[in-house]
Amino acid sequence: KAGVTQTPRYLIKTRGQQVTLSCSPISGHRSVSWYQQTPGQGLQFLFEYFSETQRNKGNFPGRFSGRQFSNSRSEMNVSTLELGDSALYLCASSYSREGPLNEQFFGPGTRLTVL
Amino acid sequence: KQEVTQIPAALSVPEGENLVLNCSFTDSAIYNLQWFRQDPGKGLTSLLLIQSSQREQTSGRLNASLDKSSGRSTLYIAASQPGDSATYLCAVGGGTRSYIPTFGRGTSLIVHP
Repeated sequence: KAGVTQTPRYLIKTRGQQVTLSCSPISGHRSVSWYQQTPGQGLQFLFEYFSETQRNKGNFPGRFSGRQFSNSRSEMNVSTLELGDSALYLCASSYSREGPLNEQFFGPGTRLTVL
Repeated sequence: KQEVTQIPAALSVPEGENLVLNCSFTDSAIYNLQWFRQDPGKGLTSLLLIQSSQREQTSGRLNASLDKSSGRSTLYIAASQPGDSATYLCAVGGGTRSYIPTFGRGTSLIVHP
């Protein structure tokens, strides 16, 4: 069974631009969660989607948004990039209806650098 | 707000030692607790998941315990090997009026031959 895939793996952007990251969950998983990992703040929950609906949201500004498609693939968008958005963005999928509150399987991440 | 602390932040040991990594949390109304391993620049690999009603879980050389009332979990690694070198993260699932996981900052482990 294929694992969680994320594209692209690396991305370099400049301040003010916007970026879209993609995540394909494990086949059959309907919950997709996004996380931001930085040296300063550690790993923080962004939001979670289940059956195309955002169910849970962390404490991030509205510049961070996402969506989920009918095939469970998810995208995350960050608008008006700031230097502090440089991070490893991780996606995780779960089979359980409890989503991020149950066993999660993580992708390799997208390393975003904002110059 | 749930807060998760992991001690120690870093650990360097010779091969063969038995290790204990600690995770503490402030809100005991949790749904579960999960231990992960992360290799540099990579995603997370799930090691063990303990539901709130359980006391421990075992997988191979790994054993994780959970004491919800005291807000503590430990990850025991037996007979450590250089391949165990990684950062170990503890994630607490939920809390009072919370339905999201909260991660600790991790313990960076180096096992030298």
